[in-house]
Amino acid sequence: GAGVSQTPSNKVTEKGKYVELRCDPISGHTALYWYRQSLGQGPEFLIYFQGTGAADDSGLPNDRFFAVRPEGSVSTLKIQRTERGDSAVYLCASSSLPEETQYFGPGTRLLVL
Amino acid sequence: GQSLEQPSEVTAVEGAIVQINCTYQTSGFYGLSWYQQHDGGAPTFLSYNALDGLEETGRFSSFLSRSDSYGYLLLQELQMKDSASYFCAIRGNQGGKLIFGQGTELSVKP
Repeated sequence: GAGVSQTPSNKVTEKGKYVELRCDPISGHTALYWYRQSLGQGPEFLIYFQGTGAADDSGLPNDRFFAVRPEGSVSTLKIQRTERGDSAVYLCASSSLPEETQYFGPGTRLLVL
Repeated sequence: GQSLEQPSEVTAVEGAIVQINCTYQTSGFYGLSWYQQHDGGAPTFLSYNALDGLEETGRFSSFLSRSDSYGYLLLQELQMKDSASYFCAIRGNQGGKLIFGQGTELSVKP
């Protein structure tokens, strides 16, 4: 079956702009995760959804970052007033249940100029 | 807090066996996972240990010792395509989030 998909694959924006990153999880997976990965580092947790609700948003760096999953499937990560330090690969993962294996999408490479 | 340590780089020869170690510190623990990531690609799940001991999946095996807060990934019959970064990750006691190590870059030479 289809894996986790993310769009766009690449996004270049200017400092101060607003961006939205989309994640389509594996069909039927109730848990969805967002991570951020900088060059040469491991993925860093941002937020996790169980169904429609954010079960843990402790990894969001500040209030410029927000994520939604209104129907319990597709999720959108929203970044306001982007800064150069936001440049990274944003990874989405999903799992059938929170304690099960997480499967990652290919990521969105965000570059803030 | 939670943290993991793994070597930054490992080099091995095609056909050989290589072991990538991972030590962790955590206040809660629900298992140790291993992921492979090729340059520009998605992290791909390799193995998971919830209990102490060895888990074998083809050429890859993973080991966990909870008493030592230590695990390793063993890759046998190395192939050139195994050149990639390998991450250990723990799932703590707060839901499903994974905490990743910094990654080990494996280079397989002919």
